Amino acid sequence: GIQVEQSPPDLILQEGANSTLRCNFSDSVNNLQWFHQNPWGQLINLFYIPSGTKQNGRLSATTVATERYSLLYISSSQTTDSGVYFCAVVDQAGTALIFGKGTTLSVSS
Amino acid sequence: GAVVSQHPSRVICKSGTSVKIECRSLDFQATTMFWYRQFPKQSLMLMATSNEGSKATYEQGVEKDKFLINHASLTLSTLTVTSAHPEDSSFYICSARPDGGEKLFFGSGTQLSVL
Repeated sequence: GIQVEQSPPDLILQEGANSTLRCNFSDSVNNLQWFHQNPWGQLINLFYIPSGTKQNGRLSATTVATERYSLLYISSSQTTDSGVYFCAVVDQAGTALIFGKGTTLSVSS
Repeated sequence: GAVVSQHPSRVICKSGTSVKIECRSLDFQATTMFWYRQFPKQSLMLMATSNEGSKATYEQGVEKDKFLINHASLTLSTLTVTSAHPEDSSFYICSARPDGGEKLFFGSGTQLSVL
């Protein structure tokens, strides 16, 4: 099946810093979504982005489907950005999202 | 936006009992729903794909007699953990895709603790 690799596994930032999270995938995809999992386990949809670039406030994402990677940018980070960020994809043969192992972000004030 | 409701949010049960978890799409129809399991500090692992009106498709290594899935309507899928044991303790999350759509939406999860 498709492999999803996220980097870095852990990231520690000072409030106000910028960061880039990366997601590599091993095959062509029909769907790619970024999530933020809060401390209570809720998955918050950040972006649906199988290709192209999107922005939502301080967050933006870019997927280069031909090169099989996606990037999530967080600018001017805040303590509330802390948590685990997951990238998940659906390959062309499947229907379910397959998750990477996540990036754990810690933002301190 | 699309809302997926999952209940209960937390359940504690004795070993040997069965537990049912419900997943409802509140404002859309979903022929296909998905069940995931997440152990502490790990990623979400797909357990099964639930299809309305037909049998669920289980991932390799997931016992279908242990984790019973019923998708009786276009808005409801249930996961029953039968004869639960402490090793079944985990966070279970459901997901649904609106019919005709590509984006998946997730419930808030169920923390199962088996004593």
